[in-house]
Amino acid sequence: DAGITQSPRYKITETGRQVTLMCHQTWSHSYMFWYRQDLGHGLRLIYYSAAADITDKGEVPDGYVVSRSKTENFPLTLESATRSQTSVYFCASSESIIGGDEQFFGPGTRLTVL
Amino acid sequence: GNSVTQMEGPVTLSEEAFLTINCTYTATGYPSLFWYVQYPGEGLQLLLKATKADDKGSNKGFEATYRKETTSFHLEKGSVQVSDSAVYFCALRPTGGGNKLTFGTGTQLKVEL
Repeated sequence: DAGITQSPRYKITETGRQVTLMCHQTWSHSYMFWYRQDLGHGLRLIYYSAAADITDKGEVPDGYVVSRSKTENFPLTLESATRSQTSVYFCASSESIIGGDEQFFGPGTRLTVL
Repeated sequence: GNSVTQMEGPVTLSEEAFLTINCTYTATGYPSLFWYVQYPGEGLQLLLKATKADDKGSNKGFEATYRKETTSFHLEKGSVQVSDSAVYFCALRPTGGGNKLTFGTGTQLKVEL
């Protein structure tokens, strides 16, 4: 399917476990992003990537790790999950970051950490 | 730093009512401004945008005008439908571009018959 997909859509895990959220886009967009969505905070940027093997921190990177070995994939790993990481996670991609260029969002992953 | 402030929700309207969702921003220069919509269980979709002062973005009956003098980008629709029920996010990208979109906290709209 064309577009941007995320897996899993729902995940329940326990404190201290490692969890990886997957993101895949079919447009060959250069830029990819991970956001978390929490009530009262809107969306906050966790990490972003400008190209394969180029990643950088966003607003709330602590406790997360990313990699981008291929242009189309941008996995997000919680190395040791905490309850405060319970959230909805959105992946996004865009061709550029200039002016009015659109970011395209995936459907989200709802993560619960018990 | 940059920030976006939206009106608190939820906003509940009857079908065919007029909608306004207020959005004001803090940023230097002339940022690009966006409205994204999130339908239940889905990701965000771009609804409309404006990249310079006095521009009007429009889509699906929604409109918003970039007002530099009031640093605002209010979303309006003349006649809402039940299918417009969603969460609406105002966002900005700084002057000159940049990796980060700054989002407001979102406003939930419920439209009833």
